[in-house]
Amino acid sequence: LAKTTQPISMDSYEGQEVNITCSHNNIATNDYITWYQQFPSQGPRFIIQGYKTKVTNEVASLFIPADRKSSTLSLPRVSLSDTAVYYCLVGDMTAGGGNKLTFGTGTQLKVEL
Amino acid sequence: DAGVIQSPRHEVTEMGQEVTLRCKPISGHNSLFWYRQTMMRGLELLIYFNNNVPIDDSGMPEDRFSAKMPNASFSTLKIQPSEPRDSAVYFCASRIPGRSGRVGELFFGEGSRLTVL
Repeated sequence: LAKTTQPISMDSYEGQEVNITCSHNNIATNDYITWYQQFPSQGPRFIIQGYKTKVTNEVASLFIPADRKSSTLSLPRVSLSDTAVYYCLVGDMTAGGGNKLTFGTGTQLKVEL
Repeated sequence: DAGVIQSPRHEVTEMGQEVTLRCKPISGHNSLFWYRQTMMRGLELLIYFNNNVPIDDSGMPEDRFSAKMPNASFSTLKIQPSEPRDSAVYFCASRIPGRSGRVGELFFGEGSRLTVL
């Protein structure tokens, strides 16, 4: 199972773009890269997922280079409500894949006015 | 769908008492996970089930912890006897491996906050 490394914390201001990078040097062929967001007193929730190249949805973009050994979550124009912990999860999400989905330390993002 | 349902939301107990945490996964999901979260250790995977069968319990801290999934709609995590160091938030999550779209997305419950005095 690919181990992930993320910065422990990041600070930003409202309206700025925030990029959080996750390293996963041992990523396997069947592994997907999934980012989760967690607010205090809540369980983590899905933000975005990708396998390679770039993925964009209504809340974020995910950039994955060709070697897939890292990924970058991009949050455009953050607001105070984006203050949360962000986790990068790498694992085999396919039907026949293993389920040992372990989270890393996460990145605490703090957004200020 | 109501999502993953956990109970109790909060539990305060004394050292040595038995604690049982309960989880109802989303209907149709065939994988279930138990995680524990603390400030010191973060989000730890304790055990997971596929089709009601425990697959990997290597994350269970010690024999005082046990988990069961008697059917597809119910799982329990039991601590007996409980100790103060077991104080944490325990999350249950479920998913369908290989689901199209958000491949195998994990759905978490709101957690059970356990305090052992």
